[in-house]
Amino acid sequence: KAGVTQTPRYLIKTRGQQVTLSCSPISGHRSVSWYQQTPGQGLQFLFEYFSETQRNKGNFPGRFSGRQFSNSRSEMNVSTLELGDSALYLCASSSTGGGTEAFFGQGTRLTVV
Amino acid sequence: ILNVEQSPQSLHVQEGDSTNFTCSFPSSNFYALHWYRWETAKSPEALFVMTLNGDEKKKGRISATLNTKEGYSYLYIKGSQPEDSATYLCAFLALGGGATNKLIFGTGTLLAVQP
Repeated sequence: KAGVTQTPRYLIKTRGQQVTLSCSPISGHRSVSWYQQTPGQGLQFLFEYFSETQRNKGNFPGRFSGRQFSNSRSEMNVSTLELGDSALYLCASSSTGGGTEAFFGQGTRLTVV
Repeated sequence: ILNVEQSPQSLHVQEGDSTNFTCSFPSSNFYALHWYRWETAKSPEALFVMTLNGDEKKKGRISATLNTKEGYSYLYIKGSQPEDSATYLCAFLALGGGATNKLIFGTGTLLAVQP
C-alpha cells in the first residue's frame, strides 16, 4: 500500500509569510503526528491529530497550527514565519495509539529567508 | 520535561564490526520505547516497538533490549555492513501518552560503516 505522502518536498518563504504543509497518511491510519527537525536537534513533537481532533500538542507557539480532514489527511500551518522556522517538517501516521509503529513521510524542507 | 538521551553521538566502524548504542529515558511513567533507522534522503523507518521490561527483539542482524526499571535500551548490530550506515533514533512514549503518539525522540546515533 502507498506510504505517507508529504507535499511539497521543498519550500522557500519570506519572513512574515505563512505556509501550509500537507500530509496524506497510509490508508486506514487515523493518527497523524507532526515533527520539526532543526540542525542539532532531535525530532520535536508539534502535535497529533486523531479522527479530526487534536489529541496532543508539543511546546510550540500558537503560530503553529494544524487540522485533520475526514479522510485523515492533515495540514500544518505556520503563520508569520520567522528565520528559526527553517527546518525539516515530518509527518507520521499510525493506525491507533502509541504502542504501534509510526510510518514517516519524506518530509518538507522549509527555508525561511 | 522528559529527556531522552542517546550515546554515542556518532560512531565509525569497519565492515564486519559489531556495535551497540544506548538510549536513556525516564524510568517512571513508561509506556513504550521505539527504535527507528533514518538513512540519508529517506524517511525514518521503524525497527522495533518495545513495551515490556526485559523485552528483547531481533530483526536480522539487529537486536534490541529494554530495561524500563533503570530507563535504558540497547541496540546491537552484529557484523555491520555499509548499508547499515544511518542515524538510529530512539523515541520514548510516556504513560498517559499511551492513547496518543507523542513520541519524545533522542538526537540519534550516527553510524558510518567503512567497507
